Amino acid sequence: AQKVTQAQTEISVVEKEDVTLDCVYETRDTTYYLFWYKQPPSGELVFLIRRNSFDEQNEISGRYSWNFQKSTSSFNFTITASQVVDSAVYFCALSGEDNYGQNFVFGPGTRLSVLP
Amino acid sequence: EAQVTQNPRYLITVTGKKLTVTCSQNMNHEYMSWYRQDPGLGLRQIYYSMNVEVTDKGDVPEGYKVSRKEKRNFPLILESPSPNQTSLYFCASSLGAGGHNEQFFGPGTRLTVL
Repeated sequence: AQKVTQAQTEISVVEKEDVTLDCVYETRDTTYYLFWYKQPPSGELVFLIRRNSFDEQNEISGRYSWNFQKSTSSFNFTITASQVVDSAVYFCALSGEDNYGQNFVFGPGTRLSVLP
Repeated sequence: EAQVTQNPRYLITVTGKKLTVTCSQNMNHEYMSWYRQDPGLGLRQIYYSMNVEVTDKGDVPEGYKVSRKEKRNFPLILESPSPNQTSLYFCASSLGAGGHNEQFFGPGTRLTVL
């Protein structure tokens, strides 16, 4: 069975601090995909990134960076120089390549509060 | 514009009063699904549909029904809502199942059952 764990329920930081959101996953698939979504207070889900299991290169997009480590089954997300607008719930998700059946498994989410 | 729409966006109802939340996509996607989001639990899949007339249970199907009579629509039906179905619901669609297909989410429907 697939499972995603986000051990940090809530995190509070002061603006301009760096913050890392942890994501640990479990899967028996050799091919799988990992995602991060942002849910701002308005409630919609905003797609941030998708990585497949064969691409372990870290990725940077502006203030956002992702560290994918298959050895520890982790896909952590770092926000550098956090801003108040980063305040949101962040979800890590996992999906296999199976073309039949259930699609995504989401973690419980981490609520990030960035204080001015 | 490619999108997934849900209606209504907000709904307050009473126990036992049947309701339907509609979901429609304009991308000719074959795969559609419904999730509910609850604090501390993330999003959990309720039902999914691989194509027209093909639906199956997700992780939390009890108390829900779905139908897929047309490719674009995938309504979620609560025959007799109960307070434990108070939640935020998301519809999603993609070309097919599997993470290599980009999944598009609707804006969400916040349901309160009194």
